[in-house]
Amino acid sequence: AQSVTQLDSHVSVSEGTPVLLRCNYSSSYSPSLFWYVQHPNKGLQLLLKYTSAATLVKGINGFEAEFKKSETSFHLTKPSAHMSDAAEYFCVVSAAPNNGNKLVFGAGTILRVKS
Amino acid sequence: DVKVTQSSRYLVKRTGEKVFLECVQDMDHENMFWYRQDPGLGLRLIYFSYDVKMKEKGDIPEGYSVSREKKERFSLILESASTNQTSMYLCASIAWGAGETQYFGPGTRLLVL
Repeated sequence: AQSVTQLDSHVSVSEGTPVLLRCNYSSSYSPSLFWYVQHPNKGLQLLLKYTSAATLVKGINGFEAEFKKSETSFHLTKPSAHMSDAAEYFCVVSAAPNNGNKLVFGAGTILRVKS
Repeated sequence: DVKVTQSSRYLVKRTGEKVFLECVQDMDHENMFWYRQDPGLGLRLIYFSYDVKMKEKGDIPEGYSVSREKKERFSLILESASTNQTSMYLCASIAWGAGETQYFGPGTRLLVL
């Protein structure tokens, strides 16, 4: 079975400082991994995804994530936080090997950005 | 762009009522999903469907049923709503293929009184 653990339920950073949202996964085969963002009262939006190509994945809005198989991690980073980054972030692993059907979601990390 | 729409953004129902949540996608995707989202729990899969008239239980199917009569439409049914079904419900669709992106609707916030 696949599972995802987001190590922090809340992260608070100052505007202009780096962002690190941590995610560990468990999977019995090579996974597809995703980060989604949800702004208040908005739907889920895909930030980036890893599908066994380059281990460093670049996404929208300056976010990137690195797949580390040895550490079973897929942490999300951004060099400089912006106020508009305040949202909830979900790390997600694909639970089916061939069609990416079932996604398993982490519990979410709420990012707060202070001015 | 893929568009996934849900019939209502907000719903208020009474305990015991039958509730229908509708979801429509416009990209001819084979697979559709219903999740519920609760604080601190992330998204949990209720049911999914990989073809018309096909359905499979997700992780928390109890108290729910689904219907998929047409490829573009996937309905979630609460046969007899209860207060513990107060939640945000999200529909998603995805094309067949490894690593494909799931596209989500805006969600329906359901309050059961």
